[in-house]
Amino acid sequence: GAVVSQHPSRVICKSGTSVKIECRSLDFQATTMFWYRQFPKKSLMLMATSNEGSKATYEQGVEKDKFLINHASLTLSTLTVTSAHPEDSSFYICSATGAPQETQYFGPGTRLLVL
Amino acid sequence: GEDVEQSLFLSVREGDSSVINCTYTDSSSTYLYWYKQEPGAGLQLLTYIFSNMDMKQDQRLTVLLNKKDKHLSLRIADTQTGDSAIYFCAEHNAGNNRKLIWGLGTSLAVNP
Repeated sequence: GAVVSQHPSRVICKSGTSVKIECRSLDFQATTMFWYRQFPKKSLMLMATSNEGSKATYEQGVEKDKFLINHASLTLSTLTVTSAHPEDSSFYICSATGAPQETQYFGPGTRLLVL
Repeated sequence: GEDVEQSLFLSVREGDSSVINCTYTDSSSTYLYWYKQEPGAGLQLLTYIFSNMDMKQDQRLTVLLNKKDKHLSLRIADTQTGDSAIYFCAEHNAGNNRKLIWGLGTSLAVNP
C-alpha cells in the first residue's frame, strides 16, 4: 500500500515553454502533498505544501507564479513549471500523506531538462 | 530553527554492519524517519520511529533513538551491495504543518 506515482518520469522541453508534472496517490487519499526539488548530490528542498481544495503554501524563495500547484482532488496534485528556463532543470519529487498517519510517501521523481 | 545533521559518506565491506548516524535539534519531534534513495530514483521509506520509543527492529534494520542526546541511528546488518544508496534522516514535528526537516543524506558505499 501507500503508492505514489509521478508522470512523466522525465521530460525535455525548450526554454520558455511550460511543463506540467502530475503526482497521484494510487491507493490512499492524500490530504496533503508536498513538492520537492533536488539538485545533484544534494538534499531535498521543499518547494510547497499542498492541501486538497486550498491554495498551496510556498516556502520562502519559491516563486508561486512560476511553480503553479493545483491539488484538486484527494489523489492528484499537479506542479506546472511556467516559462521554464535552463536553471529550472532539476529532479522534482512529490510526496503524499494521509491522515492520521503522518508518514510521507514519495513518488519516483520527474527529471526535467530545459534546453 | 530546526536542524538535522548526518555524516555525508560511509563505506563498508559486504557482509559487515553499517551504522548511519543522525543528530537533530528539535526536542518536540514526534516521528523520525529513515528514507533510502537509489541513483535516479525517488525516496523509499525504510522505517520510522515514534519519539517515545528508543528502539525499533525490522529484519536487517535496527533504529536506535537517544532522545536525551537527540541522536538517531540506523544499523543495517549484513550489508549487501544492493544497500548502496543515499540514506536520509528526517524529523517531523506535529506543529510544523506536516513538514519534514531533512538531513543532507549519507551516501553508503558497499564494497565487495
